Amino acid sequence: DTGVSQNPRHKITKRGQNVTFRCDPISEHNRLYWYRQTLGQGPEFLTYFQNEAQLEKSRLLSDRFSAERPKGSFSTLEIQRTEQGDSAMYLCASSATDRGGHEQYFGPGTRLTVT
Amino acid sequence: DAKTTQPPSMDCAEGRAANLPCNHSTISGNEYVYWYRQIHSQGPQYIIHGLKNNETNEMASLIITEDRKSSTLILPHATLRDTAVYYCIVRRDDKIIFGKGTRLHILP
Repeated sequence: DTGVSQNPRHKITKRGQNVTFRCDPISEHNRLYWYRQTLGQGPEFLTYFQNEAQLEKSRLLSDRFSAERPKGSFSTLEIQRTEQGDSAMYLCASSATDRGGHEQYFGPGTRLTVT
Repeated sequence: DAKTTQPPSMDCAEGRAANLPCNHSTISGNEYVYWYRQIHSQGPQYIIHGLKNNETNEMASLIITEDRKSSTLILPHATLRDTAVYYCIVRRDDKIIFGKGTRLHILP
């Protein structure tokens, strides 16, 4: 399967701990996006990269959140000092601008539970 | 991005066409209409997009009114596997702003 993959699929952590999620986009997709989704809501945009450059960050992305895409391939999203309000599904998507960038392909998500 | 309005839920009988409406009265000339869906516990899935003309692909048809203030997604022969939340999105730039979508129930 050459789709978007995310690891881990589930993460349970205690409040105050740091967590890191990984996203592997579809090969050769130059755009990579992170979204967060809470129960009953649509996904909320967090940030996106074109190659290794982070082009936009949402105001939702507090200082405790950091995302990287060091070699323009996989990306990591780190949350420091987790809070119970961080509990959500974290979704990654990728797209290819040389094909217009209209389709974003989403991964299965990482479900974070902060206790 | 222009705001969209969708009914919170809809029912459709299996085998019938499912017609999902979306209002986007504040859409501007360079904004596309996109539809995604999200099946329970999965990431969203792209369905179709359009600017002015009606579009069709293997999954669905998109009908955009002439004034572009509303659109309809048509699933021609709904199956139980089409049960999902359907999001209508109007976007100009690279990020997607999701609303709450329409929860489509396909009835056997």
